[in-house]
Amino acid sequence: DAGVIQSPRHEVTEMGQEVTLRCKPISGHNSLFWYRQTMMRGLELLIYFNNNVPIDDSGMPEDRFSAKMPNASFSTLKIQPSEPRDSAVYFCASTSGLTTYNEQFFGPGTRLTVL
Amino acid sequence: ILNVEQSPQSLHVQEGDSTNFTCSFPSSNFYALHWYRWETAKSPEALFVMTLNGDEKKKGRISATLNTKEGYSYLYIKGSQPEDSATYLCAFVGGTSYGKLTFGQGTILTVHP
Repeated sequence: DAGVIQSPRHEVTEMGQEVTLRCKPISGHNSLFWYRQTMMRGLELLIYFNNNVPIDDSGMPEDRFSAKMPNASFSTLKIQPSEPRDSAVYFCASTSGLTTYNEQFFGPGTRLTVL
Repeated sequence: ILNVEQSPQSLHVQEGDSTNFTCSFPSSNFYALHWYRWETAKSPEALFVMTLNGDEKKKGRISATLNTKEGYSYLYIKGSQPEDSATYLCAFVGGTSYGKLTFGQGTILTVHP
């Protein structure tokens, strides 16, 4: 199994530009999570999906952030327009089922730098 | 806002030492407590998922205990090795939030040869 796949691994962009991060969960997993990791706030949950439906987006910082999961094997996190304070590592994770005690499997992360 | 706290923030030990650190979490509405190991430049990997009060889990030299009544979990590493150097994260799952993990800030462990 390839594990959770994220792309790109690194992204450098300028303030004001649109950024799209991509995630492919582990095949068969029906729950997907987007996290952001910063020095100040640690690892924080942005949004999660179950069976492609957003369940809780209360962690999304503001309207500039949006996430979609058009099918079971693909999700995007978009930032438009990007700002320097969005610089962080963004992780995607997947698991099978929300009401079980299963561990989450994390992707390698996308390191975003907004200049 | 859920309060998940880990202590100490960082820890330096010598190879061969045994060590332990703590995760504190809300004692009400408990569903599960996860422990993850996070090596530099990699992604977090699950160590244990703990669900029952009094639970004890073990994987090699690493073990964990759980007390849901008082809201804490201990992670123990016996005979630390340099390859154990990593950040150890705990994550709380509340009974109404299903798979939503609230992470602590982590304990950074450095094992010196």
